[in-house]
Amino acid sequence: GESVGLHLPTLSVQEGDNSIINCAYSNSASDYFIWYKQESGKGPQFIIDIRSNMDKRQGQRVTVLLNKTVKHLSLQIAATQPGDSAVYFCAEYLSFGNEKLTFGTGTRLTIIP
Amino acid sequence: SQTIHQWPATLVQPVGSPLSLECTVEGTSNPNLYWYRQAAGRGLQLLFYSVGIGQISSEVPQNLSASRPQDRQFILSSKKLLLSDSGFYLCAWSYGRDSDTQYFGPGTRLTVL
Repeated sequence: GESVGLHLPTLSVQEGDNSIINCAYSNSASDYFIWYKQESGKGPQFIIDIRSNMDKRQGQRVTVLLNKTVKHLSLQIAATQPGDSAVYFCAEYLSFGNEKLTFGTGTRLTIIP
Repeated sequence: SQTIHQWPATLVQPVGSPLSLECTVEGTSNPNLYWYRQAAGRGLQLLFYSVGIGQISSEVPQNLSASRPQDRQFILSSKKLLLSDSGFYLCAWSYGRDSDTQYFGPGTRLTVL
């Protein structure tokens, strides 16, 4: 079946720098995407979402970019902090479909002090 | 506000023993409910989801079952645990078709010895 995949399993970034986490999705019909942050031993936490009628959405220190032409999703974190160290998952959803999210395998982000 | 609870937080069980993990949601009615399993360092695997009381859909045939005896209660069970059942079990809820975002509980760490 189709699934969401990630380009890099690990990413190390210097504290204060910006980080970019990438995600490729394969279902061109997916119309809703979510980024989750999971700290060690905890459940995933919602960060930001974007619908397919948008190509960019900004939150607090985070920006999600969606490129439907190449089916690519990215999460940008500005001015990274030690608390940003976690595993980040992207997930895709098909509205009015099977009401299920398809998750990627995750990228582990490590912030170097 | 809505909250989701899972218990126990950690569990160590011998092979062949039964299992019962509980998840409850507060602050909303008729949520969609989900059970996921996460192996160490891996992504999320959807096990079961429910759109209403007594309605369970199974994603992966295996040694587990789920039940939804009440609107905001979701239970994951097994009659006989296998070593391969070890993992981090996450419960999640969503509003349903009108809102696709899933919100996760704190998880249960299950170790089968």
